Amino acid sequence: DIQMTQSPSTLSASIGDRVTITCRASQTIYTWLTWYQQKPGRAPKLLIYKASDLEAGVPSRFSGSGSGTEFTLTISSLQPDDVATYYCQHPDPILVSFGGGTKVEIK
Amino acid sequence: QVQLVESGGGVVQPGRSLSLSCAVSGFLVSGYGMHWVRQAPGRGLEWLAVISYDGNKRYYADSVKGRFTISRDVSKNILHLQMSSLRDDDTAVYYCAKDKGVRLGLDYWGQGTLVTVSS
Repeated sequence: DIQMTQSPSTLSASIGDRVTITCRASQTIYTWLTWYQQKPGRAPKLLIYKASDLEAGVPSRFSGSGSGTEFTLTISSLQPDDVATYYCQHPDPILVSFGGGTKVEIK
Repeated sequence: QVQLVESGGGVVQPGRSLSLSCAVSGFLVSGYGMHWVRQAPGRGLEWLAVISYDGNKRYYADSVKGRFTISRDVSKNILHLQMSSLRDDDTAVYYCAKDKGVRLGLDYWGQGTLVTVSS
């Protein structure tokens, strides 16, 4: 089974800051990596698929990069609406795995 | 527009069974892989099961294999999750979700239904 590890688990930043979240896979997953945003009490929302493709309607301040085993989600300029927990996912057709999540807060 | 609405959650005793449903509108379950994902209180997301677009393949997380069964009713456009031998650690919000495409993630989710396993 492929394990997904996110870091940090919590992140505190100021409005306008550039924020980076890292996700590592226990073995290569090429670019099969998805990012989600989840706000309290809400279902997750798809942000990025195939490591770097932005889902329709998602603000352009969100971007994804990486391949193989190391991936990043970047928020170029943190906004109050971005307070949420972010999850990476390896969307394998047989065995899906999620990272543990990164909670983003405003400093 | 696309909508997924879960139902069937509630309080159930350990060892008992419960069935969840996910009513889908805006697309056909026969055209996409469909998943169940859960989230225990204060915890992260845990993938549980997937049924392929053609209904021929079903895969499960180790934590629920042999206890949970994913199925669908194409005529009613509904996804199901039959849960048996429930344990305290099955307490969670259960979400159904739609595949965007193979290996492209889950693009639509339901609002979730809470299952509480407690004596």
